[in-house]
Amino acid sequence: AQRVTQPEKLLSVFKGAPVELKCNYSYSGSPELFWYVQYSRQRLQLLLRHISRESIKGFTADLNKGETSFHLKKPFAQEEDSAMYYCALSGTGANNLFFGTGTRLTVIP
Amino acid sequence: DTAVSQTPKYLVTQMGNDKSIKCEQNLGHDTMYWYKQDSKKFLKIMFSYNNKELIINETVPNRFSPKSPDKAHLNLHINSLELGDSAVYFCASSLGDGAYEQYFGPGTRLTVT
Repeated sequence: AQRVTQPEKLLSVFKGAPVELKCNYSYSGSPELFWYVQYSRQRLQLLLRHISRESIKGFTADLNKGETSFHLKKPFAQEEDSAMYYCALSGTGANNLFFGTGTRLTVIP
Repeated sequence: DTAVSQTPKYLVTQMGNDKSIKCEQNLGHDTMYWYKQDSKKFLKIMFSYNNKELIINETVPNRFSPKSPDKAHLNLHINSLELGDSAVYFCASSLGDGAYEQYFGPGTRLTVT
């Protein structure tokens, strides 16, 4: 069975500090991993996916199959990064996403 | 020019009532979903429809019945509402299966009193 774990419910960092949001997963096959973000009063939206290997808004995430992790990182946090972040997993050929419990990031000015 | 829309945005109702939430997407996507977000912000899949056909029903009480009149719509009907049904319900759509980006609606906050 698939499982996505985000160990931190709340994370606060100062503006300009590095930030890392942790995500660990459990899946027997080859998963697709995603990070979704929900800014205040906005809808949930895709931030990035591991398959595209790109940096979005300064965020990157590397899939580590050995550690079954997909941590989200940004070297210098900005106030506008404050939001709810969800790590999500989709199995090969599967029709749905399994979400972690989310991490609320607060960037302190 | 909203991609995924839901109505109503807020819904307050009493226990035992029957209510519906509507969802429409104008993206031409084949797959639509319903998610429930509880008070702790945990987001869980409820249903997935592909081309009007039910693909997933994740241990949801049969008081919840999704209806897809066409590919662009997936409505959620809830019978005999209970206090525990209070949550935010999100509709989403994607081009194909779960590996594709999902586009979410703004959510419907349901409060059962």
